[in-house]
Amino acid sequence: DVKVTQSSRYLVKRTGEKVFLECVQDMDHENMFWYRQDPGLGLRLIYFSYDVKMKEKGDIPEGYSVSREKKERFSLILESASTNQTSMYLCASSLYDRGNQPQHFGDGTRLSIL
Amino acid sequence: AQSVSQHNHHVILSEAASLELGCNYSYGGTVNLFWYVQYPGQHLQLLLKYFSGDPLVKGIKGFEAEFIKSKFSFNLRKPSVQWSDTAEYFCAVAHGNNRLAFGKGNQVVVIP
Repeated sequence: DVKVTQSSRYLVKRTGEKVFLECVQDMDHENMFWYRQDPGLGLRLIYFSYDVKMKEKGDIPEGYSVSREKKERFSLILESASTNQTSMYLCASSLYDRGNQPQHFGDGTRLSIL
Repeated sequence: AQSVSQHNHHVILSEAASLELGCNYSYGGTVNLFWYVQYPGQHLQLLLKYFSGDPLVKGIKGFEAEFIKSKFSFNLRKPSVQWSDTAEYFCAVAHGNNRLAFGKGNQVVVIP
């Protein structure tokens, strides 16, 4: 069974801090994704990656960056955290197959910026 | 703009009632369609998917969905809900390079 592991379930940080969210998948998936989930807004794609060192902007990349140095690991970075980045962050992975493969999700990191 | 629309964000119903959640999308061309479910405190998991073939697809836990191409719709149904179906349900459309676009979700509460 696919396992997507996010490093923290809950995280509290201060405004202006640099924040790292880590995600690891164990199924050799090519694609990895970062979303944020807010009530009433559904899931919005921040960034995704279809290969090591490759990344593409999603719908809301402002204020975020990502890193993918190894196939199994995809990191989301908040360069200078702000209160409007308080949210639930979800990581997902999938096989690369022209959209024919479902995404598998981690448990999420609930991030609070004070 | 291209989008995925889910209406009636909050749905409250009694056990044994029937459930139907609407999903409409505005993407052209070939699309792959998904419904995901998020039970309280759990991660999103796949409920069912449609890629091609029979437009009526069956998923886990007695759910089914019907793809109607002419209406750009992929509605989710369950004939008789249980308390354990209390969850948030998301419709998603795969478009280009493995990206998914999600609807805003339906929060479903089943009263025992």
